[in-house]
Amino acid sequence: NAGVTQTPKFQVLKTGQSMTLQCAQDMNHEYMSWYRQDPGMGLRLIHYSVGAGITDQGEVPNGYNVSRSTTEDFPLRLLSAAPSQTSVYFCASKGEGQGYNEQFFGPGTRLTVL
Amino acid sequence: GEDVEQSLFLSVREGDSSVINCTYTDSSSTYLYWYKQEPGAGLQLLTYIFSNMDMKQDQRLTVLLNKKDKHLSLRIADTQTGDSAIYFCAESRWAADKLIFGTGTRLQVFP
Repeated sequence: NAGVTQTPKFQVLKTGQSMTLQCAQDMNHEYMSWYRQDPGMGLRLIHYSVGAGITDQGEVPNGYNVSRSTTEDFPLRLLSAAPSQTSVYFCASKGEGQGYNEQFFGPGTRLTVL
Repeated sequence: GEDVEQSLFLSVREGDSSVINCTYTDSSSTYLYWYKQEPGAGLQLLTYIFSNMDMKQDQRLTVLLNKKDKHLSLRIADTQTGDSAIYFCAESRWAADKLIFGTGTRLQVFP
């Protein structure tokens, strides 16, 4: 199993550009989520999904869109990038049901918005 | 809202024990986690504890939970240079859903 994979690893955007951060998992996990990590602030939840076709907002959803058309993929879209979105983005997944107590994190995407 | 706080830095000598502390505000927290992040990498789960437990031991790691004071600690025995990383405390009401993270404690181990 590859686990949780994210592409790209690094990205530089100009203000106003759009892009999609890709996330995929091969563990058949129902639950997937996106976090951003900023210095001195820990990780904050952006959006999450409990299964294909179902998404919901986390703590800091503004400026980001998500969709979940398959169990495996959970892309994060920035429609009009802003410098405040410069951050490291982590995708995570976990199984649903009793005993699934761990979120597995991807390696992250470092995004810089100029 | 919920808040999780940690001290930012900890420096210890190789072979000593490290204790990383965390306080949280949500009395409904059911699961409390410790994650490790090495430079340029994602987060790796070290251990977790249910809120109805006081202590959990796993090899060199000991987690203590004081639910009354909403205080969580991670003790690493015989700290090694490979333990140098950022350690995050996190809590959730449901099993690993909607994790609320602390700011992270950077552990530096010197010889």
